[in-house]
Amino acid sequence: ELTQPPSVSVSPGQTARITCSGDELVNKYACWYQQKPGQSPVMVMYQDNKRPSGIPDRFSGSHSGNTAALTISGTQAMDEADYYCQAWDSSTVLFGGGTKLTVL
Amino acid sequence: QVKLVQSGAEVRKPGASVKVSCRASGYTFTSHGISWMRQAPGQGLEWMGWISTNSGNTRYSQKFQGRVTMTTDTSTTTAFMDLTSLTFDDTAMYYCARGYGSGIPFDFWGQGTLVTVSS
Repeated sequence: ELTQPPSVSVSPGQTARITCSGDELVNKYACWYQQKPGQSPVMVMYQDNKRPSGIPDRFSGSHSGNTAALTISGTQAMDEADYYCQAWDSSTVLFGGGTKLTVL
Repeated sequence: QVKLVQSGAEVRKPGASVKVSCRASGYTFTSHGISWMRQAPGQGLEWMGWISTNSGNTRYSQKFQGRVTMTTDTSTTTAFMDLTSLTFDDTAMYYCARGYGSGIPFDFWGQGTLVTVSS
């Protein structure tokens, strides 16, 4: 089971950090997906800290032990969305419960 | 560019089955597997299973074992997800995504197919 905080709030221009914890993360990669209302998820981070093409460099990832984190520096209004972490466990896939990022 | 285009919304009665398609383009279909996820209204993402587009091997979430069948048609570069014995709890948006196997992220997603189970 992957545990995320249900919500995170941040002011525009500040740094948002979303965490994801679980035993399945020990020695395994984490991925992160952004989902805006009414849209499909978009991968924003893979292999803990690699950004896909087209994802702004204000997005970064980290991982230590059983906790992975997605950090958004200089958060913008367009970053307001749900974020899901994802990992693998014995060839099955786990998603975190999701974190609603509010930019106020 | 990589595209996954899913079939349109479906409405089914409890006990019925539904088959959702996912047509891939913009890459070599057999080089990347396809996974299926779903998202109930207001809820998070749930992995259902995946299929190798090369070998046809499948792996299903234990939750859906016995009720789900994933197949592909390489001639039309299309993946299919068949879910049987539908209940109201199966009402959800169903997504296909490119990615198969441990450590392989889901880098491209379809637009989603809404399946509504209603009497």
